[in-house]
Amino acid sequence: AQSVTQLDSHVSVSEGTPVLLRCNYSSSYSPSLFWYVQHPNKGLQLLLKYTSAATLVKGINGFEAEFKKSETSFHLTKPSAHMSDAAEYFCVVSLNQAGTALIFGKGTTLSVSS
Amino acid sequence: GAVVSQHPSRVICKSGTSVKIECRSLDFQATTMFWYRQFPKQSLMLMATSNEGSKATYEQGVEKDKFLINHASLTLSTLTVTSAHPEDSSFYICSARTGSHNEQFFGPGTRLTVL
Repeated sequence: AQSVTQLDSHVSVSEGTPVLLRCNYSSSYSPSLFWYVQHPNKGLQLLLKYTSAATLVKGINGFEAEFKKSETSFHLTKPSAHMSDAAEYFCVVSLNQAGTALIFGKGTTLSVSS
Repeated sequence: GAVVSQHPSRVICKSGTSVKIECRSLDFQATTMFWYRQFPKQSLMLMATSNEGSKATYEQGVEKDKFLINHASLTLSTLTVTSAHPEDSSFYICSARTGSHNEQFFGPGTRLTVL
């Protein structure tokens, strides 16, 4: 069965320092994986997605994630945090190749202090 | 990128009344639309999947008679919460997908408060 686990419910960083949001997945086949960001009372915005092409995926706003099959991980990183990065981040795995069934992680709240 | 809108963005209603939420794909045709529910500080839970012109498929535990979904056109799906109760208060988010992409495009959400 497919599942996704976000290892940290809350991450706090200082502005200008690196960001690491951890995600592990479980899938019986090569999955499609996504990271979404949600600002307060807003919908979800796609940061990046992995669909079996390059294992290092670059997304918007300086974020990137690396698909590591041996570790079943898809951690999200950013070299330098900005105040505007403070939000809720969801790691998502697709249950099927068509992307019609998504399983969401429980989310990681990222706080950025000045 | 593809844009999905929701209306209203926020609604407050009295217990026992019905509320309709609209989800529109603005610049593409959505063969499939999805409705999610999000409780405070929690993740999104899929409620139902709807394909244009056919009945919605509801997830286990979601009452189809309470949460009526209509997907009458390729750009519009509606979710009607019937006989709303305070426990129905939540953030409802829709998403839409075309047949050629395996990505869902999400709307901005609707905050429902039932008094």
